[in-house]
This record gives sequence, C-alpha cells and structure tokens, in this order.
Amino acid sequence: TQLLEQSPQFLSIQEGENLTVYCNSSSVFSSLQWYRQEPGEGPVLLVTVVTGGEVKKLKRLTFQFGDARKDSSLHITAAQPGDTGLYLCAGDRGTYKYIFGTGTRLKVLA
Amino acid sequence: GAGVSQSPSNKVTEKGKDVELRCDPISGHTALYWYRQSLGQGLEFLIYFQGNSAPDKSGLPSDRFSAERTGGSVSTLTIQRTQQEDSAVYLCASSPRLAGDRTDTQYFGPGTRLTVL
Repeated sequence: TQLLEQSPQFLSIQEGENLTVYCNSSSVFSSLQWYRQEPGEGPVLLVTVVTGGEVKKLKRLTFQFGDARKDSSLHITAAQPGDTGLYLCAGDRGTYKYIFGTGTRLKVLA
Repeated sequence: GAGVSQSPSNKVTEKGKDVELRCDPISGHTALYWYRQSLGQGLEFLIYFQGNSAPDKSGLPSDRFSAERTGGSVSTLTIQRTQQEDSAVYLCASSPRLAGDRTDTQYFGPGTRLTVL
C-alpha cells in the first residue's frame, strides 16, 4: 500500500521556470522530509518539517507542511539545471519508520 | 569525515543463490536503516536498527530476507535463494539519533545494485 503519492511523476522544464511538487496522503504524519537523489547516489536530505502549516525556505526552495500534517509541497523558484534529480518525500508517524513517496523526476533544461 | 559506505557497489547473481550486502555506517550513529529501491522509484523500508533494541523487521518482504548488525556498527543484509524480483538497488542509511531528536537525519550510502539473472 503506497501511503504517500507524489505528483507530478515527471517534470521537464526550462531553466528559470518555477515549479511545485506535491506529496499527498490520507494519513497524518508527525514529520515529513524531502530528499533529492542523483543517479548512482543515495538520497540527500533537504529539509524536515514537523509542525502543521510550517513553511521552510532553503535558498530557492520553499517547503510547506499542510495544516493537517497529511500533505506537503516543494516549490522551486527559477529552476536551474543543478536542480535536476529525483525528489522524494518521506513521512514518519513518530516511530522513526519512514514511508517514502513515489518520487518526482525533475529535469531542468539549460 | 567518511560517509556511509556499502559493498559491493554492484552484484550480479544467479537465481537461487544467496547474497550478502554490507553497510558501514557513519561512526557513532546509533540508528541504521535498509531500504530497497526499484528502478527510478521511491524507497521501500525493509528493516531498522536502533542501538541495542530489537530491530523493526516489519518491512522485510519474505523470510528469505534477514539482516544483522554486529557490535552496533556494521550491518549485513542477506537474501537467500534470490529471485528475479529481488533485483533492485539496496540502500543503507544511518542516523545519529541525538537525545531529544523527534526525527532522524538519515545519511545514505550509494547503494548496492543487485541483479538476479
């Protein structure tokens, strides 16, 4: 059973464009994380959000945790080729057992 | 400092053979996770170790899969009688799990790509 659905699955955009990736669930999570993974490497943690409604910014990336702690979004402003990769969300119900989303593969064209 | 290392980086085996995959976590990290990732997909939780506590094995897909962690450090994931559907990238992650942490900051290794012919 896939508890975390990400959309879109694939996204190809031009450099300088903005984009939003969504992570949705019918379950409540105590925390939610976003990772970026490049080919041949393990995922790298970008951010952890723990409070409903929380917004965190990391340079051009903005992360939001839904008020009900069931969903999250990642917004990238002025995308760059270096942002290319597989973006994964992961939720935890307070048990340290992380459920990963289906992934969004982003390609930013120069 | 050194990150999480995994070996081998690639493993090709024949159906029915046993394989062992190794994970060396970051020194001092008390939590260790194993995940499986099919081509370009999300990660599937397999097993989780925390200190001396009994591991959470709830994600292991069958009794052909087992894992151990010796001395609270190195971990080995063993797959017996491999099947073609076991082909995937197996990722290991470790976390320092500091006192008071509500969440884990997982540091991932590069993975072992397993191909079962």
